Amino acid sequence: GAVVSQHPSWVICKSGTSVKIECRSLDFQATTMFWYRQFPKQSLMLMATSNEGSKATYEQGVEKDKFLINHASLTLSTLTVTSAHPEDSSFYICSARDPGNTEAFFGQGTRLTVV
Amino acid sequence: AQSVSQHNHHVILSEAASLELGCNYSYGGTVNLFWYVQYPGQHLQLLLKYFSGDPLVKGIKGFEAEFIKSKFSFNLRKPSVQWSDTAEYFCAVKDTGRRALTFGSGTRLQVQP
Repeated sequence: GAVVSQHPSWVICKSGTSVKIECRSLDFQATTMFWYRQFPKQSLMLMATSNEGSKATYEQGVEKDKFLINHASLTLSTLTVTSAHPEDSSFYICSARDPGNTEAFFGQGTRLTVV
Repeated sequence: AQSVSQHNHHVILSEAASLELGCNYSYGGTVNLFWYVQYPGQHLQLLLKYFSGDPLVKGIKGFEAEFIKSKFSFNLRKPSVQWSDTAEYFCAVKDTGRRALTFGSGTRLQVQP
């Protein structure tokens, strides 16, 4: 199957700093990527849909100024957590769908810890 | 809004036992249904999916699922589990109006040798 690579796998940062997470589709072009957040023992919750060349579409309750999404190319979307707080600590997962495939492929996730 | 319920949060089985994990969704229109598995430290991987046709779907690693439209259910089954099936299992639904998936809360399966 297609491969989605997410980097870094884990990151620890101080409160008030910003963290960037990258999501790459390695062997296909993805016009749309999805960013999810997963709290311990809970489901993956969709944060936003990243659209190549245009603004991301955020889910209700997700602060677009805090979670900046950039999808500058067909193989790369980035999520930047700005002015991080401890409550932003979570597991962030990206997903992309190969246009020729009905299946969505997932990155390995990024565990963010804000101290 | 669409929602997905997985009623079993943590299941412990012995090897060779049969498995059934429940999944119910709350959307009345046409849906695509998925089961994903996440082994420790690994990506989410697709086990199987249903789009249309035969409601009994066979996936990888001996898993199958049955779509029962009248019950809004898509339960995952495996006749005989192995220790290597220890993982987190997620049911997901996509309706025709959304591009993203809606996930259930996941079921942690622990298979004891």
